[in-house]
Amino acid sequence: DAMVIQNPRYQVTQFGKPVTLSCSQTLNHNVMYWYQQKSSQAPKLLFHYYDKDFNNEADTPDNFQSRRPNTSFCFLDIRSPGLGDAAMYLCATSSGQIRTDTQYFGPGTRLTVL
Amino acid sequence: QKEVEQDPGPLSVPEGAIVSLNCTYSNSAFQYFMWYRQYSRKGPELLMYTYSSGNKEDGRFTAQVDKSSKYISLFIRDSQPSDSATYLCAMITAGAGSYQLTFGKGTKLSVIP
Repeated sequence: DAMVIQNPRYQVTQFGKPVTLSCSQTLNHNVMYWYQQKSSQAPKLLFHYYDKDFNNEADTPDNFQSRRPNTSFCFLDIRSPGLGDAAMYLCATSSGQIRTDTQYFGPGTRLTVL
Repeated sequence: QKEVEQDPGPLSVPEGAIVSLNCTYSNSAFQYFMWYRQYSRKGPELLMYTYSSGNKEDGRFTAQVDKSSKYISLFIRDSQPSDSATYLCAMITAGAGSYQLTFGKGTKLSVIP
């Protein structure tokens, strides 16, 4: 009964070669988030969608893009991965109702850049 | 000064001990508080969610919030080796449209059999 699914779980790419990570959810949540988490660090929010409204964090590099074609799916595109982009990428969802809101995380995709 | 401060540890305790994990915060607008558990190479998993000062208990876990001191805690009773993980505190502001979590850095806990 997985609720937030991320594919692939492990991704290896070459320096500069575009890569796409995918996330899907069965919760029908309005909000989907992408985080980057490096070793021993807190997750860092890259951007989020409230329905189709895209919200980019000010310090998210232009190299990172996202698409949300429908409620269930959200993609993270890294146009030209650098060695510094190697990290765990976490997708999360929430209902958007603030008093009962919490974020549900997927298992993550671990990205290696060679 | 970071908005949320959390001692990264590592923290090692013997099995059966009571564990206390803490976070402090500086932003008075934080009104909703969460604790996540993250096993190695896995996504964070929600443990506790509170929005009022006081204690909230769930099995062996107790979350405590003191808004006057801007201090939150997670207590784990009768700790087990399976509790070995990184524990992240997280907070949300109360403003409309604020859906963003601010995380602490996480405390790595090891429970030794």
